[in-house]
Amino acid sequence: NAGVMQNPRHLVRRRGQEARLRCSPMKGHSHVYWYRQLPEEGLKFMVYLQKENIIDESGMPKERFSAEFPKEGPSILRIQQVVRGDSAAYFCASSPVPNPETQYFGPGTRLLVL
Amino acid sequence: DQQVKQNSPSLSVQEGRISILNCDYTNSMFDYFLWYKKYPAEGPTFLISISSIKDKNEDGRFTVFLNKSAKHLSLHIVPSQPGDSAVYFCAASAQGGSEKLVFGKGTKLTVNP
Repeated sequence: NAGVMQNPRHLVRRRGQEARLRCSPMKGHSHVYWYRQLPEEGLKFMVYLQKENIIDESGMPKERFSAEFPKEGPSILRIQQVVRGDSAAYFCASSPVPNPETQYFGPGTRLLVL
Repeated sequence: DQQVKQNSPSLSVQEGRISILNCDYTNSMFDYFLWYKKYPAEGPTFLISISSIKDKNEDGRFTVFLNKSAKHLSLHIVPSQPGDSAVYFCAASAQGGSEKLVFGKGTKLTVNP
């Protein structure tokens, strides 16, 4: 059973471009969580999705950020018109049930905005 | 406002000795606490948890202690091994863990052979 996969592992964008981060959950996991880790900071919750539904997006910035988890395919975190402050590591975790102990994290995508 | 604080950015111990990592929280609604371990270029891995109805939970070499009155928890690793060298994150949640996790900034543990 492959672990949580995220791609790309590294992404470089110029200010104003769009960034698309993908997360393929573990087989059988229908719950996906996105976290952001700014330099020298802990992980901060962004959004929790369960197949085709956004359950909790209280950690998402109000503008430029969106997330989806379609019926087929990976979960996508989309950042429009990136700014330098978006540079961070973005982690996704998947879980078979909504329980933090069963959240398995992917290796992260490191976004650098020039 | 940082609700979960890990005040020591780093800790260095000798192999075989005890490692004690500390965590403080401010939100009295938190009732579920977890520790994660993270190696470079990898995602965090769940290590051990404790709910507020307990004051201690043990799993092999890892023990977590919770002092609710002081809003403080600690992770003890005995004996420490070089493979334990990693960043350790404390996280907290409300409503038994069903609410989103709030993470501390992490403590980098180095275990010297």
